Amino acid sequence: AIWMTQSPSLLSASTGDRVTISCRMSQGINSYLAWYQQKPGKAPELLIYAASTLQSGVPSRFSGSGSGTDFTLNISCLQSEDVATYYCQQYYNFPYTFGQGTKLEIK
Amino acid sequence: EVQLVQSGAEVKKPGESLKISCKDSGYRFTSYWIGWVRQMPGKGLEWMGIIYPGDSDTRYSPSFQGQVTISADKSISTAYLQWSSLKASDSAMYYCARAGDTYAFDIWGQGTMVTVSS
Repeated sequence: AIWMTQSPSLLSASTGDRVTISCRMSQGINSYLAWYQQKPGKAPELLIYAASTLQSGVPSRFSGSGSGTDFTLNISCLQSEDVATYYCQQYYNFPYTFGQGTKLEIK
Repeated sequence: EVQLVQSGAEVKKPGESLKISCKDSGYRFTSYWIGWVRQMPGKGLEWMGIIYPGDSDTRYSPSFQGQVTISADKSISTAYLQWSSLKASDSAMYYCARAGDTYAFDIWGQGTMVTVSS
């Protein structure tokens, strides 16, 4: 199985800040990486797929980059509604593993 | 609108069996993989396994292999997750999700809460 290290586990930032979340793979996965947002009490939602493609309807302040083993999710101008936990997921091969999650809070 | 609708919350005793469901509405059920994801209270997402309803090809995470069974009934566009003997540690929220054209989980069910307690 492919192991993933997502960091940080907790992130506190102010509205308007740029934030970055990282995900590192134990082996290369090309660009088969997705990012999800989960708000409290809700099901996760897809934000980005193929490492950098924004899912329809997702605000443009979200962006993803990377390929191979290192990936990042960026939020360019943090809004209060972005408070959530963010997960990366590889779908290069089975089992399609998730990262440990990053809880994003507003200062 | 494409949706995955999951069955309702369950309260069971240890040792009991359970089958929860995930019904699609509005898309070609046999053409996409359907996965199951566990979320224990206050914890992260865990990928459990996935099924391709078109031919019932099923893959499991090693962590869940032998612990659960994933199946699908094409005739009613429904996927299932079942346990033969529940444990207290199976208490969690379970989500189904569709792996769309990009193979990422683009549509999620609302979740089914399973509580196992004596």
